Amino acid sequence: DQQVKQNSPSLSVQEGRISILNCDYTNSMFDYFLWYKKYPAEGPTFLISISSIKDKNEDGRFTVFLNKSAKHLSLHIVPSQPGDSAVYFCAASRESSGTYKYIFGTGTRLKVLA
Amino acid sequence: KAGVTQTPRYLIKTRGQQVTLSCSPISGHRSVSWYQQTPGQGLQFLFEYFSETQRNKGNFPGRFSGRQFSNSRSEMNVSTLELGDSALYLCASSSPPGAELFFGEGSRLTVL
Repeated sequence: DQQVKQNSPSLSVQEGRISILNCDYTNSMFDYFLWYKKYPAEGPTFLISISSIKDKNEDGRFTVFLNKSAKHLSLHIVPSQPGDSAVYFCAASRESSGTYKYIFGTGTRLKVLA
Repeated sequence: KAGVTQTPRYLIKTRGQQVTLSCSPISGHRSVSWYQQTPGQGLQFLFEYFSETQRNKGNFPGRFSGRQFSNSRSEMNVSTLELGDSALYLCASSSPPGAELFFGEGSRLTVL
């Protein structure tokens, strides 16, 4: 049972335009969400996060939106740059007895075309 | 501050063998998690250790095991390797638990 889903395996966007990556989750108990970026032959690197008490978090070109009623979050990259080409993973976590368990989606490969 | 270090980076094994992977977390991080990444499956959670105790475990068979030492370094072991175990194994540390994960570059295992 995939609790965190990224239904688009790949996305191509023109340089300078907006990239929108989507993520859906099924467990309403998740209270913290993160986005990671992964280049080939490297480990994932943290990009941006959002707590369930917020519906938006912005960091430079990156903005994450959370819609709790729809159990949906999205990552917006504006403007997109060729260096943003990577695989993006969303992750969700919840606290349980003082521990946290992160569930990752299957990833979306973003290609920004110059 | 040094990042998460994983060794070895690449290794090739044959079916039936066993393998041990090592992870050194960021200094001061006491929580270490392990993930398996395969094409189309994303990052599958294996287990998480904190202060030498396994606190969470994913849905993997008992052939997958791990441990954490008093210096927070962690190892994971896979016994009786199968072809399907070929994957990138990622280690991540965090502090405090629940904060963002910092990943190593991974150990790419190929089982022939």
